[in-house]
Amino acid sequence: QVQLQESGPGLAKPSETLSLTCTVSGGSIRSYYWNWIRQAPGKGLEWIGYIYYSGTTSYNPSLKSRATISIDTSKNQFSLNLRSVTSEDTAVYYCTATTLGVDAFDFWGQGTMVTVSS
Amino acid sequence: QTVVTQEPSFSVSPGGTVTLTCGLSSGSVSTRYYPSWYQQTPGQAPRMLIYGTNIRSSGVPDRFSGSILGNKAALTITGAQADDECDYYCVLYVGGGIYVFGTGTKVTVL
Repeated sequence: QVQLQESGPGLAKPSETLSLTCTVSGGSIRSYYWNWIRQAPGKGLEWIGYIYYSGTTSYNPSLKSRATISIDTSKNQFSLNLRSVTSEDTAVYYCTATTLGVDAFDFWGQGTMVTVSS
Repeated sequence: QTVVTQEPSFSVSPGGTVTLTCGLSSGSVSTRYYPSWYQQTPGQAPRMLIYGTNIRSSGVPDRFSGSILGNKAALTITGAQADDECDYYCVLYVGGGIYVFGTGTKVTVL
């Protein structure tokens, strides 16, 4: 059973870069697509993007210009950088796994709250 | 920009049946959108219930079922229980590696 754990600063300053890492255990990093999803306080869920172990990525068009997802297979980790953040980026950020052939988000981390504030 | 719409809220009696839907701002939902459904209780990460339109995830009770109804994806809860009271989200794969979440439905059991 794949387990995911988000880590990173809980606070980011406006105009700076939000950086989060997800550590994967219990499964091969080569067997899944790895996603970032977020949820602003009191709002719905928003898919940010995914990465495959090969480095193939896909992003939500609304965030594509600011988001970069990378992967380190040697550390079983993948990461999110979100540039030029504003208060609109304040949210709980989840890392998730998509099993090949499932085309859905079948494993989730517990989520980490990031607040954008000066 | 693709918008995926869900009913904002639904109320169901204990033991009753409720069907939530997931539609597209333009066009019809079909199996090729690989609809999936998620349940989220307050303060918790979502949990996948259904993927591939109608395949229940491991451990999900069979009172949850997925289907295509008309031009929308649907999640039916048959025999609703008190702990089914929470938020439900659908996701559609719209092609080109892009996933879109629905707006979410808050289900009340009373």
